[in-house]
Amino acid sequence: ETGVTQTPRHLVMGMTNKKSLKCEQHLGHNAMYWYKQSAKKPLELMFVYSLEERVENNSVPSRFSPECPNSSHLFLHLHTLQPEDSALYLCASSQAHSKGTQYFGPGTRLLVL
Amino acid sequence: GENVEQHPSTLSVQEGDSAVIKCTYSDSASNYFPWYKQELGKGPQLIIDIRSNVGEKKDQRIAVTLNKTAKHFSLHITETQPEDSAVYFCAASSNTGGFKTIFGAGTRLFVKA
Repeated sequence: ETGVTQTPRHLVMGMTNKKSLKCEQHLGHNAMYWYKQSAKKPLELMFVYSLEERVENNSVPSRFSPECPNSSHLFLHLHTLQPEDSALYLCASSQAHSKGTQYFGPGTRLLVL
Repeated sequence: GENVEQHPSTLSVQEGDSAVIKCTYSDSASNYFPWYKQELGKGPQLIIDIRSNVGEKKDQRIAVTLNKTAKHFSLHITETQPEDSAVYFCAASSNTGGFKTIFGAGTRLFVKA
């Protein structure tokens, strides 16, 4: 266990559904990240929150909406997704001041039909 | 933009042999280089890292070397075991790069018993 948990682990949704992914870290970190992992592609950074403020938004479509209510929790709200959004969504956390070692959760495997 | 190239994409070795994975980076400001191992159904886990003030670091069967002049760094696994089979990712980040860690595309390592 890395101290970062994600739920659900698997999700199947239609293009008109609304769902949310949840991430929780128990490491006392104050930076949290969302990544998208697709087959045979590098990890794609989507969003970064530091001290509960969004500090990075890498041109992610608005159908993905992040939320960070406190330093331990991070959500990714999904709305009207496309089949090409099917991927493994990984959450990570780190100490903001180190900006180095990130600790990843197990991911949510998302399939959009 | 910054990128990290990783080779090979797939590597198959016999149990007991050594495995070497190589990465090159483009951002000369990069000063932190972690390596992650991702097993099936799990998120990436940090296995070793190196900072730019050292050229080599070793932890049991795993070693990492860094050549800052050439912007190369490599992962060396000796006496490979079947449980080493996984996808390995290199990454590069800098203190001046905000919260962005650039990941390589990954190397799928197969260790044949």
